[in-house]
Amino acid sequence: EAGVAQSPRYKIIEKRQSVAFWCNPISGHATLYWYQQILGQGPKLLIQFQNNGVVDDSQLPKDRFSAERLKGVDSTLKIQPAKLEDSAVYLCASSLVGGGGYGYTFGSGTRLTVV
Amino acid sequence: DQQVKQNSPSLSVQEGRISILNCDYTNSMFDYFLWYKKYPAEGPTFLISISSIKDKNEDGRFTVFLNKSAKHLSLHIVPSQPGDSAVYFCAASGTSGTYKYIFGTGTRLKVLA
Repeated sequence: EAGVAQSPRYKIIEKRQSVAFWCNPISGHATLYWYQQILGQGPKLLIQFQNNGVVDDSQLPKDRFSAERLKGVDSTLKIQPAKLEDSAVYLCASSLVGGGGYGYTFGSGTRLTVV
Repeated sequence: DQQVKQNSPSLSVQEGRISILNCDYTNSMFDYFLWYKKYPAEGPTFLISISSIKDKNEDGRFTVFLNKSAKHLSLHIVPSQPGDSAVYFCAASGTSGTYKYIFGTGTRLKVLA
């Protein structure tokens, strides 16, 4: 099966600019996650969707970050305006059901550099 | 408040020997624990998991041990191979029903040929 697709792979922007990341999960996977991984840290959950509804966005900085999942398939994560501390790898993951002990499949990520 | 901790940022092991990666957690309500492996420029890949009701799970060269009283788990790789060189993340799944994983900071394993 095809994996989780993310684009772009790399993005460099200036602070205060806007940026958007796209994710296409594995076909049929109802649950989609966006994680932020800052250099030297583990991935941190930003938002979790179940189909096109938000399950958990408690760690999403809502003043500047937004995410949507149209028709329960593709998802877009946006940052507006970006800050230097947003430099990180943004990982999208999907799973057939909630993770539990089955894990979920990550995409290769988008590396964002804010200068 | 870091609920999942990997205190060793790096580990070097000779090829053919055992690699032991450690992870500690603070929340006794976690119900699943997982290990992910990550190569550079790739996303993390699920490796193995263990339920909180078990103390051992084995899959080929990989075995995960869980010590609930110590709130500690470890991943054993035997025998270690150069292709195992990667960053290994420990993760725990909460009981809130959302199945979000809380990750540790990772341990970089280098297997020397």
